[in-house]
Amino acid sequence: KAGVTQTPRYLIKTRGQQVTLSCSPISGHRSVSWYQQTPGQGLQFLFEYFSETQRNKGNFPGRFSGRQFSNSRSEMNVSTLELGDSALYLCASRWDRDYEQYFGPGTRLTVT
Amino acid sequence: LAKTTQPISMDSYEGQEVNITCSHNNIATNDYITWYQQFPSQGPRFIIQGYKTKVTNEVASLFIPADRKSSTLSLPRVSLSDTAVYYCLVGASGGGADGLTFGKGTHLIIQP
Repeated sequence: KAGVTQTPRYLIKTRGQQVTLSCSPISGHRSVSWYQQTPGQGLQFLFEYFSETQRNKGNFPGRFSGRQFSNSRSEMNVSTLELGDSALYLCASRWDRDYEQYFGPGTRLTVT
Repeated sequence: LAKTTQPISMDSYEGQEVNITCSHNNIATNDYITWYQQFPSQGPRFIIQGYKTKVTNEVASLFIPADRKSSTLSLPRVSLSDTAVYYCLVGASGGGADGLTFGKGTHLIIQP
């Protein structure tokens, strides 16, 4: 069974721009969560989508948004990029709330 | 969510047993304890999960005392490839507590 895939793997953007990251979960998984990882803050939860609905949200500004499609694929959007948004963005999928999460390789975003 | 405290870093040598302890004084009755492993530029990978006493799988053992206010991840006979960051999480089963925050983890360095 294929694992979680994320595209693109690397991205360089300029301050003020917006970016969209994509995540394809493991087949059959209905939950997709997004995390931001930085050296200073560690791995922090952004939000979780389940069956196209946002089920939970972390403590991030409204510039960070996401959505999930009917095939469970998910996208994350960051608008008006700031230098501090430079990070590894990880996506994780699972069958449902009480099941193990499987992480993708991440998208490395650099904001200049 | 119960807050966890674990050492920032640890060193050991190949062939040794490594024990990483995590404190979670405010663990709730329904909470599970889950450990993830992360290599550089990769997403975290589930290692083991437990509720009480001892859990063992092919990779590690997890020891949880009766009061459940701490837990110890035990890695038997480590190798260089066990060098990674190890995260202790407390929450719903499957390591998928809503609003999960991984924190900074324990950076384990294995030397020859």
